[in-house]
Amino acid sequence: GQQVMQIPQYQHVQEGEDFTTYCNSSTTLSNIQWYKQRPGGHPVFLIQLVKSGEVKKQKRLTFQFGEAKKNSSLHITATQTTDVGTYFCAGRSGGANNLFFGTGTRLTVIP
Amino acid sequence: NAGVTQTPKFRILKIGQSMTLQCTQDMNHNYMYWYRQDPGMGLKLIYYSVGAGITDKGEVPNGYNVSRSTTEDFPLRLELAAPSQTSVYFCASSYGGRALIGSYEQYFGPGTRLTVT
Repeated sequence: GQQVMQIPQYQHVQEGEDFTTYCNSSTTLSNIQWYKQRPGGHPVFLIQLVKSGEVKKQKRLTFQFGEAKKNSSLHITATQTTDVGTYFCAGRSGGANNLFFGTGTRLTVIP
Repeated sequence: NAGVTQTPKFRILKIGQSMTLQCTQDMNHNYMYWYRQDPGMGLKLIYYSVGAGITDKGEVPNGYNVSRSTTEDFPLRLELAAPSQTSVYFCASSYGGRALIGSYEQYFGPGTRLTVT
């Protein structure tokens, strides 16, 4: 079955440092979504990538979709304490009527 | 708009008991979903619906049932609760159209934290 893996599972950074989380799928994805979940909260949609090699930016966040559409990354520049939370990728492959979430990367930002 | 609302926020069940988790959305979304999130894990899809009267199984449907009689409501029923169903349950909704699920942004409710002892 389809699997979406994320690394690292945890990341502690000093405020101002950069952060990257990686998402890898065992199958080619039709699209990938990224969500952020604050501690004790619910997932909130950040972005969706659809095209091979696509790069999108949201202020300090940069999202990439791999050329083979089997991997993706989220990079945060100059982290702030407001970036704390767990970042999930979620992908759908081919004609599958399902969305598989990765295990998430929990980011801690040390002031 | 209230978005997606879920009740209750917390619940403790004894093994073998049953309960219904309520979910309502006011965004007129066709697609609705139920996920469970175990500690330190991602979300796993339990059931989904692409419109009133239409439901289908997700990745982990065993032990659960759903119904969708209206566009707004998508209750999740747990029959004969087991400790393995201890989890946080999230309901979500999205625009659908004719697309496969996972094609559009999903809006999540605040979650129901369920403990089965």
